[in-house]
Amino acid sequence: AQSVTQPDIHITVSEGASLELRCNYSYGATPYLFWYVQSPGQGLQLLLKYFSGDTLVQGIKGFEAEFKRSQSSFNLRKPSVHWSDAAEYFCAVGGDRSGGGADGLTFGKGTHLIIQP
Amino acid sequence: DSGVTQTPKHLITATGQRVTLRCSPRSGDLSVYWYQQSLDQGLQFLIQYYNGEERAKGNILERFSAQQFPDLHSELNLSSLELGDSALYFCASSVEPVPGLGYTFGSGTRLTVV
Repeated sequence: AQSVTQPDIHITVSEGASLELRCNYSYGATPYLFWYVQSPGQGLQLLLKYFSGDTLVQGIKGFEAEFKRSQSSFNLRKPSVHWSDAAEYFCAVGGDRSGGGADGLTFGKGTHLIIQP
Repeated sequence: DSGVTQTPKHLITATGQRVTLRCSPRSGDLSVYWYQQSLDQGLQFLIQYYNGEERAKGNILERFSAQQFPDLHSELNLSSLELGDSALYFCASSVEPVPGLGYTFGSGTRLTVV
């Protein structure tokens, strides 16, 4: 069964500092990996996704993530955070299995990002 | 605005009651997915419909059911509600039929069962 682990429940970063959010996954085939962001009272917005090709993917809002197959990781990074980046961040794994089945995206529990002035 | 519309935004109801949550997908999207988000379980995939047909099923209770109509909007029906059903219910949509390829979420319906 597929699973996602986000080891950090909360992370506090100073405004302007760099950010890395960790994500480890378990998946039996080639994974499709995603990062979503959720602001309070809002739905989830897709930041970026990895399907294949270059292991460093660029997303919206200045975020990037690197897929490392050997470490089963897909960590999210941003070189300089802004106060508006404070939110909940979710890593998710999915795949392209055909024929249906219970293969919706599997989400991690999320990392709550706090930005200090 | 993601283009995925969910109504109502908030719903408060009593235990034992039945409610219906509605979702209109983004224009052109044929797949609709339902998710439940709670503090203890996180985001749980419930069910997917593609072009009117059930496509994939996740951790959906027997008390819950869904359907997708010819105009592609979807409804999630929750019956015999329990306190533990209080959660945020999200709808998402995508063009592709495969549920693992990522999708666009609506802003959710917050259900409170009292």
